[in-house]
Amino acid sequence: EVQLVESGGGLVQPGGSLRLSCAASGFTFSSYAMHWVRQAPGKGLEYVSAISSNGGSTYYANSVKGRFTISRDNSKNTLYLQMGSLRAEDMAVYYCARVAVTTSHAFDIWGQGTMVTVSS
Amino acid sequence: QSVLTQPPSVSGAPGQRVTISCTGSSSNIGAGYDVHWYQQLPGTAPKLLIYGNSNRPSGVPDRFSGSKSGTSASLAITGLQAEDEADYYCQSYDSFGNVFGTGTKVTVL
Repeated sequence: EVQLVESGGGLVQPGGSLRLSCAASGFTFSSYAMHWVRQAPGKGLEYVSAISSNGGSTYYANSVKGRFTISRDNSKNTLYLQMGSLRAEDMAVYYCARVAVTTSHAFDIWGQGTMVTVSS
Repeated sequence: QSVLTQPPSVSGAPGQRVTISCTGSSSNIGAGYDVHWYQQLPGTAPKLLIYGNSNRPSGVPDRFSGSKSGTSASLAITGLQAEDEADYYCQSYDSFGNVFGTGTKVTVL
C-alpha cells in the first residue's frame, strides 16, 4: 500500500524549533518530488515547501523562507521539515504529499498530518 | 492570501447538481497551468479528486467532473450524496509556486 506517515508534531514555544518527519512506503520514494502543505485550525490549505527527487532543488513559501529547511534521506525513504523561529501563525496541521507526473503534477498521495502547536 | 478564489459555501439537496468555481488570473490558470481539485472530509487529509483539469483518479466516482476555461476552473458534482459533504479545494501553479484556492464547503441539505 502506498503510504505517507508524518510524525514529530507537538507543542513548542514561540521562537522554538521542531523537526517533522514523513515516512514513505509502498513506492519508489527516490523517484518523486515531495512537498509539505499546512492547514491552520479552521483555515484552508497553504503550500509550504518542496524538494526534488534527488534533493538537489528546494522551494519555500515566502512565509517560511529562512526559517524552515526541507530535506530528504532517500536511503531511509523519509522526508523532513526542520522548523525554526516558530511563530503563532505557524500553528497548523502539517501534511506531506507526493507529486506524480502521471497525475499532471497534482498531489496524489497525502499523509494523515501532524499537528504543530506554537504556544507559551 | 490565496490567489485562487472559491465561493465559501455551496449547498444542494440529495440528487441535485452543484458547481464550485475557482477564479484565478493570467499568471496562474490563465497562463495554461493545470488545475487540480481535492476533497477534504471532516477531520481527514485532503484527497485528490480531479487532476489535469478534468481527469479522475481511479476510484473517484464519475459524479465528479472538472473543467477549465480562460482564467477559471469549475468542479461539478452531479447526483449529490450525503457523503459528498466536505471541503473542496482547487490548486494550480503561479509564477511563485503552487497555490491553493480559498476552499468551498459543500453542504448536503
